[in-house]
Amino acid sequence: GDSVTQMEGPVTLSEEAFLTINCTYTATGYPSLFWYVQYPGEGLQLLLKATKADDKGSNKGFEATYRKETTSFHLEKGSVQVSDSAVYFCALCAGGTSYGKLTFGQGTILTVHP
Amino acid sequence: EAGVTQFPSHSVIEKGQTVTLRCDPISGHDNLYWYRRVMGKEIKFLLHFVKESKQDESGMPNNRFLAERTGGTYSTLKVQPAELEDSGVYFCASSQLLRGGPYNEQFFGPGTRLTVL
Repeated sequence: GDSVTQMEGPVTLSEEAFLTINCTYTATGYPSLFWYVQYPGEGLQLLLKATKADDKGSNKGFEATYRKETTSFHLEKGSVQVSDSAVYFCALCAGGTSYGKLTFGQGTILTVHP
Repeated sequence: EAGVTQFPSHSVIEKGQTVTLRCDPISGHDNLYWYRRVMGKEIKFLLHFVKESKQDESGMPNNRFLAERTGGTYSTLKVQPAELEDSGVYFCASSQLLRGGPYNEQFFGPGTRLTVL
């Protein structure tokens, strides 16, 4: 079945540091890929997405590129801020009979210190 | 516009009791999804409604879980009787029913944290 594997956290960085959170996936066909973020006390929010190979999703300084050859969708940000502290989830939607169903990774807690 | 709301935000019950979780989707969203996150693990899909019909309930763990969406508006998820392993955070999400692709952005509620003692 479909699955998503994220790097284990927690990740602790100083402000302005470079961030990478690794994500790899297993799926049949050509899934769409997503990063969701959950800030404390809030629901999950879509951070960025990519729907086909080599697409780059970007938002709020975060980027991720859909790499079909390595089945990866790593999240990066060049300079993190304290306000980026949250839980980040990588997810896929396989489409077809899995219409709309999201498959998530286990989440990575990011803490950014001033 | 109001987002997805869930009630209650927290629930603590004894093993064997019944609990009902409620989700109010964004107005006009025909798709409604339930997910669950057990402590520290991945968020897992439970089921998907399109309007009042169950489109996919492949993720429901067992027959102690019953989901309804009468009238195609809000949804309830009842756990009866609750077991210790049911503890976790239950998320609801909704999206529009649009043609042209398999995925339309899902908007998530803040979740209900269920603790079974």
